[in-house]
Amino acid sequence: EVQLVESGGGLVQPGGSLRLSCAASGFTFSTYWMNWVRQVPGKGLEWVANINQDGSEKYYVDSVKGRFTISRDNAKNSLYLQMNSLRAEDTAVYYCVRVNGGYWGQGTLVTVSS
Amino acid sequence: QAVVTQEPSLTVSPGGTVTLTCGSSTGAVTSSHYPSWFQQKPGRAPRTLTFDTSNPHSWTPARFSGSLIGGRATLTLSGAQPEDEAEYYCLLSYSGIRAFGGGTKLTVL
Repeated sequence: EVQLVESGGGLVQPGGSLRLSCAASGFTFSTYWMNWVRQVPGKGLEWVANINQDGSEKYYVDSVKGRFTISRDNAKNSLYLQMNSLRAEDTAVYYCVRVNGGYWGQGTLVTVSS
Repeated sequence: QAVVTQEPSLTVSPGGTVTLTCGSSTGAVTSSHYPSWFQQKPGRAPRTLTFDTSNPHSWTPARFSGSLIGGRATLTLSGAQPEDEAEYYCLLSYSGIRAFGGGTKLTVL
């Protein structure tokens, strides 16, 4: 059974940093692109970033470029999102998503507030 | 970055058929955009209905189908059920970059 389990969310002050993790299981993690998607409570979905199988290609939505870094550790079957210089508008539930095949984690809430 | 468009809201009668569409500001949506469709109910994580244009997930009811029609990605619901009332999102790929549509709130009434 495919499982994606996010962790690392929480309350952080504006300008602060947070690192999200996603533990993957039930499939060969190293053979799939992986994505981070976020959703402000009550709003729509926003694609944030993705990374290819070996980590050599990474793409970001414009609003997080230069602040967020996506990475992966295939040996640990894990996906990460390092978030720096956080802003109030980054407050959202962050989902780890394997788009090919259609699997989502349950999400982790990030709240940026003083 | 590209803008993906969806109908803000649609209404379908129980047992009826409705088609949700997904367009792109860059032109026609093709299979190279690898369209995916997701359903989200209040308080729940989204779940995938179809990916790569028309591939259903293992849990996707047969009444949902994805395709390309008239330069748009489409999700057709045939035989709507009350439990299909939800928000529906499409996702398109642009050579690495991805973008969601704004979502369609589907009411079954």
